[in-house]
Amino acid sequence: AQTVTQSQPEMSVQEAETVTLSCTYDTSENNYYLFWYKQPPSRQMILVIRQEAYKQQNATENRFSVNFQKAAKSFSLKISDSQLGDTAMYFCAFMNWGSARQLTFGSGTQLTVLP
Amino acid sequence: DGGITQSPKYLFRKEGQNVTLSCEQNLNHDAMYWYRQDPGQGLRLIYYSQIVNDFQKGDIAEGYSVSREKKESFPLTVTSAQKNPTAFYLCASSIKQSTEAFFGQGTRLTVV
Repeated sequence: AQTVTQSQPEMSVQEAETVTLSCTYDTSENNYYLFWYKQPPSRQMILVIRQEAYKQQNATENRFSVNFQKAAKSFSLKISDSQLGDTAMYFCAFMNWGSARQLTFGSGTQLTVLP
Repeated sequence: DGGITQSPKYLFRKEGQNVTLSCEQNLNHDAMYWYRQDPGQGLRLIYYSQIVNDFQKGDIAEGYSVSREKKESFPLTVTSAQKNPTAFYLCASSIKQSTEAFFGQGTRLTVV
């Protein structure tokens, strides 16, 4: 079974600054997918960014980028130029390769962007 | 508009009663999932279904049951055997060949 660990329950950052959220995972598989989801106060889950394990290049989506270290099983999210609307719970998630795909989540990091 | 709909948004039940949470999607997605969210524990997988008339247990299936009689519907029943049913429940769906999961807006179940 896969496990996903987010060791930072809460973080805060000043508006316009950069913040990095940490995530580690444990799996015996070689191919898989990793995600960061955002859950604002509305509780709607929103996909922020996705990384395929077979790709060495780190994924980027505008102000969001990841640092994927496959050997270390680490998958951190960097948010640049933080905005007040980035305030949310952020979840790291793992999906296995293959036909029976399960999406496993970490416990989340509550990020607060301060004005 | 295409999407995934959970109803109701808030649900109250007396202890000992079974309750069914609705999840409907019109995205023509093959796979559907049910998650439970508790404070500080993230999302935990209850059940998932890859195709109609087939489903598998997730990590915390005890006290829950599901059905998948139609592609667009995946209702979750919280039975009286679930010892701590008060939680926020999220339904999701995805295309079989895709990795992106789309989520509903959730149902907050409170058992009193």
